[in-house]
Amino acid sequence: ETGVTQSPTHLIKTRGQQVTLRCSSQSGHNTVSWYQQALGQGPQFIFQYYREEENGRGNFPPRFSGLQFPNYSSELNVNALELDDSALYLCASSPSAGDTDTQYFGPGTRLTVL
Amino acid sequence: AQSVTQPDIHITVSEGASLELRCNYSYGATPYLFWYVQSPGQGLQLLLKYFSGDTLVQGIKGFEAEFKRSQSSFNLRKPSVHWSDAAEYFCAVAAYPNNNDMRFGAGTRLTVKP
Repeated sequence: ETGVTQSPTHLIKTRGQQVTLRCSSQSGHNTVSWYQQALGQGPQFIFQYYREEENGRGNFPPRFSGLQFPNYSSELNVNALELDDSALYLCASSPSAGDTDTQYFGPGTRLTVL
Repeated sequence: AQSVTQPDIHITVSEGASLELRCNYSYGATPYLFWYVQSPGQGLQLLLKYFSGDTLVQGIKGFEAEFKRSQSSFNLRKPSVHWSDAAEYFCAVAAYPNNNDMRFGAGTRLTVKP
């Protein structure tokens, strides 16, 4: 059984650009959540996807958007990057939307916005 | 909405000494509580969780936590710390049964002295 993987590991962008981060869920998981972890902070919930539909969203602007594909892999897209978007972005997959206790995290993508 | 406070930003303990990391939560209903550990370059790993039942819960790696409703606390403990326990520890609360919008504390960084 493979774990949750994310790509790329690190990424450097400039302000105003767009970025796409990718997450491959653990086998058999149909739910993925994305979190933003700023330096020195705990993760903050961005949104969750369940069976390709958004299933809840945190306090993030619309320029943060996502997709979940039929194979349950997922993308996080951020448009019009701002300096404050610099953070570690974590995805977490779980077998179903209600399975909080079986949420598995990937290692994250470190995004730096210059 | 639910929230978590971890009062200690950084704790240093000697190897072999006991450890207690503090976590206070705010939530109107019965909380679903977690402790995660994050090592450098790693995703978050679940140590233990509590929803109901015995208020003293056992986790992996020799950790335990005690839920105290009267104090709105869920402190993490370990009787004897190992050098490999050095990491960032996060307490989190979620609204059962829906796992979207899990709220994390800011984390406590643990340093272990030889």
